[in-house]
Amino acid sequence: QSVLTQPPSVSGAPGQRVTISCTGSSSNIGAGYDVHWYQQLPGTAPKLLIYGYSNRPSGVPDRFSGSKSGTSASLAITGLQAEDEADYYCQSYDSSLSGSVFGTGTKVSVL
Amino acid sequence: QVQLVQSGADVKKPGASVKVSCKTSGYTFTSYYMHWVRQAPGQGLEWMGWINPNSGGTNYAQKFQGRVTMTRDTSISTANMELSRLRSDDTAVYYCARTKYSSSSVDYWGQGTLVTVSS
Repeated sequence: QSVLTQPPSVSGAPGQRVTISCTGSSSNIGAGYDVHWYQQLPGTAPKLLIYGYSNRPSGVPDRFSGSKSGTSASLAITGLQAEDEADYYCQSYDSSLSGSVFGTGTKVSVL
Repeated sequence: QVQLVQSGADVKKPGASVKVSCKTSGYTFTSYYMHWVRQAPGQGLEWMGWINPNSGGTNYAQKFQGRVTMTRDTSISTANMELSRLRSDDTAVYYCARTKYSSSSVDYWGQGTLVTVSS
């Protein structure tokens, strides 16, 4: 099991706001290591959504935002759209494992 | 443009080894780390390790130490991942993924290579 825990699923109606949590510990998020977020559509490679907690790469809509508090990070999607249906993963570095770790993943459904 | 093109799907028997290659273009191969990430069917992403193409240095996830070997050939800008003593639960899509530093975010991914382990 991953050291970064995410809810298995979240859902919302079009236009609503949803948030995905990524809960870690003092050896990863709590130690100040960056958190990155990825979106994965079915059958495709993941795509970078947020890097360094809250930065968006060029081309990523500002509907996506990231934040951090203590040993957790969050991804928020505002103005939910049908095209946002996908799996979302957080990623960080863990000092006790001396390597990168991914979250358990969250499936976002648009009702 | 940056491209990471992986080798094709492969089928292996339990106990065998598999080697997946990742041919890159569009950037300076030795200036970026290359990670390997796998995803079993219906499961999440699992980090396997990275190689520094400049130095050849590696860092493997504890789970795979002793079974995985990551190498690079700078003359053809290609990274390789070999996994030995395959088991059925190694069946997965394997991705190569580029980062600027070892703990940076992945900005480019390969298309993925399905490795099936079956007797």
